[in-house]
Amino acid sequence: GQSLEQPSEVTAVEGAIVQINCTYQTSGFYGLSWYQQHDGGAPTFLSYNALDGLEETGRFSSFLSRSDSYGYLLLQELQMKDSASYFCAVSPGSASKIIFGSGTRLSIRP
Amino acid sequence: DAGVIQSPRHEVTEMGQEVTLRCKPISGHNSLFWYRQTMMRGLELLIYFNNNVPIDDSGMPEDRFSAKMPNASFSTLKIQPSEPRDSAVYFCASKQGTYEQYFGPGTRLTVT
Repeated sequence: GQSLEQPSEVTAVEGAIVQINCTYQTSGFYGLSWYQQHDGGAPTFLSYNALDGLEETGRFSSFLSRSDSYGYLLLQELQMKDSASYFCAVSPGSASKIIFGSGTRLSIRP
Repeated sequence: DAGVIQSPRHEVTEMGQEVTLRCKPISGHNSLFWYRQTMMRGLELLIYFNNNVPIDDSGMPEDRFSAKMPNASFSTLKIQPSEPRDSAVYFCASKQGTYEQYFGPGTRLTVT
């Protein structure tokens, strides 16, 4: 079976840096994705890691360690609009099917 | 470019009624996914299609749920008969080749 663990809630200050961790257990592994979802909205893609290391896209970076079954999303220069839920998701057997974690609700304080 | 289109955006129905949710994927995308999101169960994959063919329906809760994709530009998710526990937001997503999935705005279903 598949399982993903990520913190349910994280609070941070505007302008700061926050890291959201994700550990996973899957019967196979193809890659780790991150999605953002604002309240009442749809999930939107942020990043994807298939290989170990750091991927950077603007203020957001994502890291993967396949040997540790671990990844994280790093958000820098936090803005109030970053308040949202963040989901890690694994592709267990192919790039198509993805299994979502339960999500981390990020709250930003002024 | 238009994104993924879902209809209706909101649906309120009574227990026992048939519900049909509709999705138009992004033109050119060859994979389509149906998800259900609830507070209790999170975001669950129900079924996905590649090139209009169902590939994995292991997430479909039970026989009351069925999905079709008659052509590359249209898919339906049907619940018959509906039950209160089916109340959720149903998302359709599509992709082409890469790992990035594009989600529609969702249909909020309430079964009373």
